[in-house]
Amino acid sequence: DADVTQTPRNRITKTGKRIMLECSQTKGHDRMYWYRQDPGLGLRLIYYSFDVKDINKGEISDGYSVSRQAQAKFSLSLESAIPNQTALYFCATSGNGYTGELFFGEGSRLTVL
Amino acid sequence: AQKITQTQPGMFVQEKEAVTLDCTYDTSDQSYGLFWYKQPSSGEMIFLIYQGSYDEQNATEGRYSLNFQKARKSANLVISASQLGDSAMYFCGTGGGNKLTFGTGTQLKVEL
Repeated sequence: DADVTQTPRNRITKTGKRIMLECSQTKGHDRMYWYRQDPGLGLRLIYYSFDVKDINKGEISDGYSVSRQAQAKFSLSLESAIPNQTALYFCATSGNGYTGELFFGEGSRLTVL
Repeated sequence: AQKITQTQPGMFVQEKEAVTLDCTYDTSDQSYGLFWYKQPSSGEMIFLIYQGSYDEQNATEGRYSLNFQKARKSANLVISASQLGDSAMYFCGTGGGNKLTFGTGTQLKVEL
């Protein structure tokens, strides 16, 4: 089984719907991240959390919210999805921010019609 | 603030040749790391190599090496003896202990 698991892997939804992407990890890491990947734009940070009580906005947090339900779980919500939120979303964890090694989930491809 | 610039949207290289993927960075952190990830067409993100800002020697991992020039703020990835399986998107990034910032990526195609 993967160390970082994202669900769903693929989702098609309509404008205005609420969507939740879930992430769970078995690595025992405190730090968790949500990134968004768009062609030509690379990966951009949406939110990150260093422990259950610590949530921080990334560079593109507008239109998104997160919940850190436990050390192992970090969910990303789109309260009212819009088409320009169509993207590939990655959850990642790290045990030490200084090494640069993030452990990524397999990605969740979201399409908003 | 952190910024990564990858100026090569796409690169081609012949199999068995070496290739250099460019990366320049800007950061306000005194201590930071530089790293590279590979993303094959299947989509997963694969960690390749890490360089600390205070490391005196360039990092190497097998066929990958990071050419770190601190004064130039560059952290180029060198892949020696390219293989067909090296065809992928490559992302450079930097982090100073907190969030990690990525560049826009370089699509590498290895040809026979």
